Amino acid sequence: AQTVTQSQPEMSVQEAETVTLSCTYDTSESDYYLFWYKQPPSRQMILVIRQEAYKQQNATENRFSVNFQKAAKSFSLKISDSQLGDAAMYFCAYRRISGGGADGLTFGKGTHLIIQP
Amino acid sequence: EPEVTQTPSHQVTQMGQEVILRCVPISNHLYFYWYRQILGQKVEFLVSFYNNEISEKSEIFDDQFSVERPDGSNFTLKIRSTKLEDSAMYFCASSVRDRSGNTIYFGEGSWLTVV
Repeated sequence: AQTVTQSQPEMSVQEAETVTLSCTYDTSESDYYLFWYKQPPSRQMILVIRQEAYKQQNATENRFSVNFQKAAKSFSLKISDSQLGDAAMYFCAYRRISGGGADGLTFGKGTHLIIQP
Repeated sequence: EPEVTQTPSHQVTQMGQEVILRCVPISNHLYFYWYRQILGQKVEFLVSFYNNEISEKSEIFDDQFSVERPDGSNFTLKIRSTKLEDSAMYFCASSVRDRSGNTIYFGEGSWLTVV
């Protein structure tokens, strides 16, 4: 079974600075997808960024980028120029490439990101 | 931008009662999901649904749970006889097709409190 580990229950960063959230996962699959979701106080789950395991290039979405290390099974999220609106719970998630069924996401326990003004 | 909508946003129910949570997935999506998040814990996969049948389900999704797509737009989760431990946020989600890399879009959740 796949597992996703987020070792930082809480992180704090000053507004406008950069912060990195860590995520490791365990899988025997060679092809899969990784995601970061953001959950603000409204509790809606919002996709931040996704990475295909077969791509060596790290995904980037504006101020959000990932450092994907496949051999190390590591998938960290970097947030540059942190803004107050980035304050939220961040979940790392894994999804294997399925042959037939529609696999669900496996989530980590989350990292609570605090932005200090 | 199209979105997944869920009703009710919050429901309080007596232990042992049946609950139905409703969802309207994004219109051109074909795969539908329910996830659960107990307060303070991680989001857990319950079930996926495609072509009017369950595709995958987790060990959490026991006989107390059922899902249905009663018409062309709604997707429901029924809990037959609620227990205190069923108190959680329930998220409905949908995606376009069964390539696991397709993004799963979540609704805003239905908060269920069992008393």
